[in-house]
Amino acid sequence: GAGVSQSPRYKVAKRGQDVALRCDPISGHVSLFWYQQALGQGPEFLTYFQNEAQLDKSGLPSDRFFAERPEGSVSTLKIQRTQQEDSAVYLCASSLAREQYFGPGTRLTVT
Amino acid sequence: GIQVEQSPPDLILQEGANSTLRCNFSDSVNNLQWFHQNPWGQLINLFYIPSGTKQNGRLSATTVATERYSLLYISSSQTTDSGVYFCAVYPGANSKLTFGKGITLSVRP
Repeated sequence: GAGVSQSPRYKVAKRGQDVALRCDPISGHVSLFWYQQALGQGPEFLTYFQNEAQLDKSGLPSDRFFAERPEGSVSTLKIQRTQQEDSAVYLCASSLAREQYFGPGTRLTVT
Repeated sequence: GIQVEQSPPDLILQEGANSTLRCNFSDSVNNLQWFHQNPWGQLINLFYIPSGTKQNGRLSATTVATERYSLLYISSSQTTDSGVYFCAVYPGANSKLTFGKGITLSVRP
């Protein structure tokens, strides 16, 4: 069946622009996670949804980062006023129980 | 928070060789997963293994939860096994995965 999909796969933004990254989880998966992966590092947790409820946003690095999942399916990660340090790969994962399945990621480059 | 250490950080193998990758974690866990990140950045699930032993083809994994470590075995390695291998855990009721820094494996023909 279809896995987790993310769009766009690549995004180049000028410093100060707003960006929106989309995640389509595996159908029926209740839980959805966002992670940030810097070059040469392991992914780091950003935020977690169970259905439409955002249960943990402790990993969001600043108030410029905002995530939503209004209907409990597709999720959007929004970054306002992008900064160079926001350049990274943003990974989305979904799960039905405990095992998490990852999408291909969105590579964000802020110039 | 929980600490995850992977070793060795880098590994170079000749095609056909066997290898063992190790993951140590600092607290009890409810979930442990091994992933292979391919050169295109996709994280591929290898094993969900909070305890016990599992095998899938040339790969197998063992987690000894009471001693807080997990091992990933790769036998008869192939060039397509190259990439970064991550161990990731989450403790207790907290669902967010904490990743190790990864092990970079290069398999040479």
